[in-house]
Amino acid sequence: EAQVTQNPRYLITVTGKKLTVTCSQNMNHEYMSWYRQDPGLGLRQIYYSMNVEVTDKGDVPEGYKVSRKEKRNFPLILESPSPNQTSLYFCASSLAGGSEQFFGPGTRLTVL
Amino acid sequence: TQLLEQSPQFLSIQEGENLTVYCNSSSVFSSLQWYRQEPGEGPVLLVTVVTGGEVKKLKRLTFQFGDARKDSSLHITAAQPGDTGLYLCAGEVVGASGTYKYIFGTGTRLKVLA
Repeated sequence: EAQVTQNPRYLITVTGKKLTVTCSQNMNHEYMSWYRQDPGLGLRQIYYSMNVEVTDKGDVPEGYKVSRKEKRNFPLILESPSPNQTSLYFCASSLAGGSEQFFGPGTRLTVL
Repeated sequence: TQLLEQSPQFLSIQEGENLTVYCNSSSVFSSLQWYRQEPGEGPVLLVTVVTGGEVKKLKRLTFQFGDARKDSSLHITAAQPGDTGLYLCAGEVVGASGTYKYIFGTGTRLKVLA
């Protein structure tokens, strides 16, 4: 089944404890992206990747890192999480930039 | 910073009524997408409009892209309870180096009562 998977789906952590949210797609998509969704703010793009080894900042990249070492995976790294990073995170992929984006099921992160 | 203002934020209507959701910006987008999101799931693409003035229909849903490619609307005819959900618009921004960024609206939460 063609899909975007994210792990974990739920995570409660404490301030400053490094964490990684994984994202994987099995559709051989070139473009991948991370978003956060907060009430009243909609989805905001954190980082995106046009292809392997090519990543760029979205609108809210502060406090996040990404890497794209292989086409199928695009992990989101929070080196020192803070409470304002408590949010619902979505990974998405598309065949190429400008194509339909397919979203993962989301990761609900709480930083205490 | 590019923004997409979506209105209304919340809408509760009776089955059979018509409604329109608006998505407005001062920025020009290369295309505009409409998504629907169910609780506990990621957004799912409904339609992409590309050309200024373009109108697309998806059963009872009609999407229009403004002539200047700065705004869009979603009109639902004879709404049904199955239309309940969060509707999001998203503007596509193509960079000079061929990069693609997406700006999402704040969303319209629609509830259709039977």
